[in-house]
Amino acid sequence: GESVGLHLPTLSVQEGDNSIINCAYSNSASDYFIWYKQESGKGPQFIIDIRSNMDKRQGQRVTVLLNKTVKHLSLQIAATQPGDSAVYFCAEETSYDKVIFGPGTSLSVIP
Amino acid sequence: NAGVTQTPKFQVLKTGQSMTLQCAQDMNHEYMSWYRQDPGMGLRLIHYSVGAGITDQGEVPNGYNVSRSTTEDFPLRLLSAAPSQTSVYFCASSFRLNTEAFFGQGTRLTVV
Repeated sequence: GESVGLHLPTLSVQEGDNSIINCAYSNSASDYFIWYKQESGKGPQFIIDIRSNMDKRQGQRVTVLLNKTVKHLSLQIAATQPGDSAVYFCAEETSYDKVIFGPGTSLSVIP
Repeated sequence: NAGVTQTPKFQVLKTGQSMTLQCAQDMNHEYMSWYRQDPGMGLRLIHYSVGAGITDQGEVPNGYNVSRSTTEDFPLRLLSAAPSQTSVYFCASSFRLNTEAFFGQGTRLTVV
């Protein structure tokens, strides 16, 4: 069936270090992937996306990598800041027009 | 620009009661969806719509109904609330498929 999962449920990093959040997906037909950030008490916010015809996309301090061979997605955050502390979700848009979310990774930045 | 507006923000229901969670967007987005989020978990898709007059089921549609009579509005109806429906509900919209989604602030629903 369709599913998106994360390898690490929690992640603690020192301020200034780089963070890497991983995600595995199971639907090889999915063609669009998104990372969202959710702060406590708020709705998810878009961070960055990538289409299946790409393997890397960069934004401001964030990079998403897509490895279709092993169906793996990662989010890299450079120079992690306290404001980056949140739960991060990967999501995939399946061939059935559904956007399915993974369980989330809680990122905690240590000052 | 209001974005995605959900009402109410909080609601307590008794088992068996019915209610409608409202969702409206002012961005002329075609795609709208409803998710529920349980503690410590990700978002699970309830229902979605690719345009006015078109709706479809997501991962967990049982106990919920939706309709999409206009582009702007996508209400979620609970016909007979159950404690298992206690959750935070998020509505989202996007211009079309394969584009970023914008989320509302959520409705925290408790069924007692």
